[in-house]
Amino acid sequence: GAVVSQHPSRVICKSGTSVKIECRSLDFQATTMFWYRQFPKKSLMLMATSNEGSKATYEQGVEKDKFLINHASLTLSTLTVTSAHPEDSSFYICSAREGGGSYEQYFGPGTRLTVT
Amino acid sequence: DAKTTQPPSMDCAEGRAANLPCNHSTISGNEYVYWYRQIHSQGPQYIIHGLKNNETNEMASLIITEDRKSSTLILPHATLRDTAVYYCIVRFPPNTDKLIFGTGTRLQVFP
Repeated sequence: GAVVSQHPSRVICKSGTSVKIECRSLDFQATTMFWYRQFPKKSLMLMATSNEGSKATYEQGVEKDKFLINHASLTLSTLTVTSAHPEDSSFYICSAREGGGSYEQYFGPGTRLTVT
Repeated sequence: DAKTTQPPSMDCAEGRAANLPCNHSTISGNEYVYWYRQIHSQGPQYIIHGLKNNETNEMASLIITEDRKSSTLILPHATLRDTAVYYCIVRFPPNTDKLIFGTGTRLQVFP
């Protein structure tokens, strides 16, 4: 149980275009989802926290207009990287938390974004 | 959340026990110690967590010192597939959902 998927697993896009990454909780309802990014050989950095049906809370230094997060249902959150640039190339990972007093987070497999 | 300190890298022979230390000297009384690992190019995987007592599950054992200022994750019989970056995180879940990842320990298991 507690499986989180991400789609796509890897994507290459051209500079200036936007790309959407999906995060789904497959066998549970996720009241809260988290988005991280990870540069090569670096640790995960939390970008934002999203609760179903409300606006995401972004960490300091993360541009909310560039990284659009939508958590419209209890099983799906999306991260859209708008007007992508090569410096946005990174490994993006989501995690999901069940509601009802459970505090455990389950991570997706990650999406590798390359902006050319 | 309290800060943790881990060695940047460790080696372990296959079949031997891997003991990964974590220092969390500023941990507060209600904070738990969590361990995750990340195999290359994958999402992190939960391993184990504990508050005061030692814990064991099918993956690992967690030994927490009596003063709770440090802990050790033990993989009893390391395999090549245990090669990963291991992260020690302290948090008090009801107060914060966030997992703040430090730099972790890169464990290399060799044949």
